[in-house]
Amino acid sequence: GAVVSQHPSRVICKSGTSVKIECRSLDFQATTMFWYRQFPKQSLMLMATSNEGSKATYEQGVEKDKFLINHASLTLSTLTVTSAHPEDSSFYICSARGGGGDPYGYTFGSGTRLTVV
Amino acid sequence: GIQVEQSPPDLILQEGANSTLRCNFSDSVNNLQWFHQNPWGQLINLFYIPSGTKQNGRLSATTVATERYSLLYISSSQTTDSGVYFCAVSDGANNLFFGTGTRLTVIP
Repeated sequence: GAVVSQHPSRVICKSGTSVKIECRSLDFQATTMFWYRQFPKQSLMLMATSNEGSKATYEQGVEKDKFLINHASLTLSTLTVTSAHPEDSSFYICSARGGGGDPYGYTFGSGTRLTVV
Repeated sequence: GIQVEQSPPDLILQEGANSTLRCNFSDSVNNLQWFHQNPWGQLINLFYIPSGTKQNGRLSATTVATERYSLLYISSSQTTDSGVYFCAVSDGANNLFFGTGTRLTVIP
């Protein structure tokens, strides 16, 4: 079945630095990928939708200059948290969806736990 | 976006018991999925069920799209069923919006 690999699984960084998270579709092409954020004991909140070869679409309230998304190929999307602060600490999860419009095609990565100190 | 509410928020079961989890959504949806999030954060797809009824082992789900709700049934619960159960729905843009989740604890 479809597999999405997300790296790193856990990262600790200093306040003010930037962190890049990668999301790769391993055995299928993903024209659309989604980035979610999850705070402890809360639901997943959609942050943005990235489309291969075009700009990402951000949900209301998500700073696009803070959370840079790049979807340069059909198998890779990256989320960069720029100038990270402790309030950016969270669990980030990506999801990939194939280009065929298969409604079964939402596959999730294993998530990245970001801690900013 | 679409509002998705789940109930109950927390549920504690004795091993072997049955349970029903509910998902209400605020608008018409293209599809609906149920997920189980394990203690490590991994989301596992349980059902894709925009309408009708499906069963997979001890789990089954029913969605009544016209009334904007879905139910997830867990029978003969096991300790490994513990975790958080989410339903998620898609709008016309096919973005997934997640519900508030039900945290299930199955005790031996």
